[in-house]
Amino acid sequence: IAGITQAPTSQILAAGRRMTLRCTQDMRHNAMYWYRQDLGLGLRLIHYSNTAGTTGKGEVPDGYSVSRANTDDFPLTLASAVPSQTSVYFCASSPNRVEQFFGPGTRLTVL
Amino acid sequence: GQNIDQPTEMTATEGAIVQINCTYQTSGFNGLFWYQQHAGEAPTFLSYNVLDGLEEKGRFSSFLSRSKGYSYLLLKELQMKDSASYLCAPSQDMNYGGATNKLIFGTGTLLAVQP
Repeated sequence: IAGITQAPTSQILAAGRRMTLRCTQDMRHNAMYWYRQDLGLGLRLIHYSNTAGTTGKGEVPDGYSVSRANTDDFPLTLASAVPSQTSVYFCASSPNRVEQFFGPGTRLTVL
Repeated sequence: GQNIDQPTEMTATEGAIVQINCTYQTSGFNGLFWYQQHAGEAPTFLSYNVLDGLEEKGRFSSFLSRSKGYSYLLLKELQMKDSASYLCAPSQDMNYGGATNKLIFGTGTLLAVQP
């Protein structure tokens, strides 16, 4: 693994199903973030984690949950997917007070 | 509150210079990032300004005026591969935003470079 990875690359999901988007980084960055990007709205922060064991809510946290059991992994879970959660999801990490590094994204479609 | 304003679209010619402006109002402001995003790809870091003035990095330069809430990204010697969205992203202090190095993203400026 080099940098930050996300899985799956894309997914089509039936409404009401549970889904976990995975994010892993090998740069030992303390901070990690989940964004969604929608046309005309830009990148919006869903949840963040400043360090392993802590998480916080961003701008649009409803319907999503996260955990940060260790430094490397920061999964995002949709407990019961709805069509409005159709979006491109980006995970990012940062070694504090410098730029964020973004993963390649997950394109999610909820039908 | 948070407000970021940048043009939605711009068009420029290969070899030319283009300036993309950004105005912002961000509580707890502590710096400004510019990112480049090609269609279907992740954003990639271009520049970071924390103090007033111009930061130059090759063909790209970025300027910041904290007192005016204003930044611009200057792209010189435009190439076709510079066609992308350019995202202005003020950074918010942890005491305001909660997150370490929280970025507030605008909707971006879609730049089309024509031959």
